[in-house]
Amino acid sequence: EAQVTQNPRYLITVTGKKLTVTCSQNMNHEYMSWYRQDPGLGLRQIYYSMNVEVTDKGDVPEGYKVSRKEKRNFPLILESPSPNQTSLYFCASSPGLAGTYNEQFFGPGTRLTVL
Amino acid sequence: KQEVTQIPAALSVPEGENLVLNCSFTDSAIYNLQWFRQDPGKGLTSLLLIQSSQREQTSGRLNASLDKSSGRSTLYIAASQPGDSATYLCAVEGHRDDKIIFGKGTRLHILP
Repeated sequence: EAQVTQNPRYLITVTGKKLTVTCSQNMNHEYMSWYRQDPGLGLRQIYYSMNVEVTDKGDVPEGYKVSRKEKRNFPLILESPSPNQTSLYFCASSPGLAGTYNEQFFGPGTRLTVL
Repeated sequence: KQEVTQIPAALSVPEGENLVLNCSFTDSAIYNLQWFRQDPGKGLTSLLLIQSSQREQTSGRLNASLDKSSGRSTLYIAASQPGDSATYLCAVEGHRDDKIIFGKGTRLHILP
């Protein structure tokens, strides 16, 4: 089954404790991205990647890191989480053929709480 | 900087009615526009994707149109059903920077 998976689905942590949220897709997609969703602010793109070893900042990259060592995986790293990073996080992938058919597929979300 | 606006923020209509959701964007340099559905506490489900060269796309009771020059898209839902109740989001992929910008969504409630 074609899908985007995220782990963990729920995470409660404390300020300053490094964490990683994994994202994996099995559709051989080139484009992957991370979003956070907050009430009243909607979905905002954190980072995106057009291909392996290519990453770019989205609209809200501060406090986050990503890597794209393999095509299928795009982990989100919070080196020193803070309470303002409490949010619902989504990973997404798309074929990456900009200008043609580039439908995005979303993971189920990770609800992160930073105390 | 691209901005995407969805109006109204919330909408309640009786079952069976046809309805239109609106999405506007400030920068017409886009690759595509995509409509999503999100149920409470869930992920996003893609509904329709319109390429910048297209005018509309249809899937079942849904029809999405795109007027790139005026920066507007509409999602038309025919014969609404209670199961259509959800938040509907539109997103554009920018031609200049490949960023994807979402609107804040329209929360739709279909009254049985």
